[in-house]
Amino acid sequence: GAVVSQHPSWVICKSGTSVKIECRSLDFQATTMFWYRQFPKQSLMLMATSNEGSKATYEQGVEKDKFLINHASLTLSTLTVTSAHPEDSSFYICSASSGGATSGQYFGPGTRLTVL
Amino acid sequence: QKEVEQNSGPLSVPEGAIASLNCTYSDRVSQSFFWYRQYSGKSPELIMSIYSNGDKEDGRFTAQLNKASQYVSLLIRDSQPSDSATYLCAVNRRSSASKIIFGSGTRLSIRP
Repeated sequence: GAVVSQHPSWVICKSGTSVKIECRSLDFQATTMFWYRQFPKQSLMLMATSNEGSKATYEQGVEKDKFLINHASLTLSTLTVTSAHPEDSSFYICSASSGGATSGQYFGPGTRLTVL
Repeated sequence: QKEVEQNSGPLSVPEGAIASLNCTYSDRVSQSFFWYRQYSGKSPELIMSIYSNGDKEDGRFTAQLNKASQYVSLLIRDSQPSDSATYLCAVNRRSSASKIIFGSGTRLSIRP
């Protein structure tokens, strides 16, 4: 149980284009989904928290107009990196939680974004 | 002070020995504690959760929690080379029940 998928697993795009990453909880309803970014040899950095049907809450320093998050259903959240630049190249990982203080987060396999 | 602190390592342990990973946290009212394993280039995988003081065992893994000392640890018995990874300690945040804070991780290396 507690399987989270992400698509695509990797993407290469040109600078200035937008990239959409999907995160799905396959066998449970995720009341909350989280988006992280991780640069090589660095720790996870939480970007935003999204709850189904409401606006995402962004962490300090994360541009909400650049990283658009939509949590359309209890099993799907999307992250769109708009007008991507080389400095946005990173490993983007989503996680999902069924809610509550005792629920762990289950991570998707991650999406490696390379912006040329 | 970081909310969740871990020694970055690397921690080198001989194969077959016990690996001990430690974590301290600052929020006294935190209720839930998790250990994740992350292999290089992969996403984190939840391996243990603990909510009460004491020990919790699952196979070769034992999580230990001491809320009075704000300390949580992970013991790995009979360490294997496949245990070589970065181990992330995570603690739930009081202000948002499902949001958890991650430590920066301890890199563990099991030497044959």
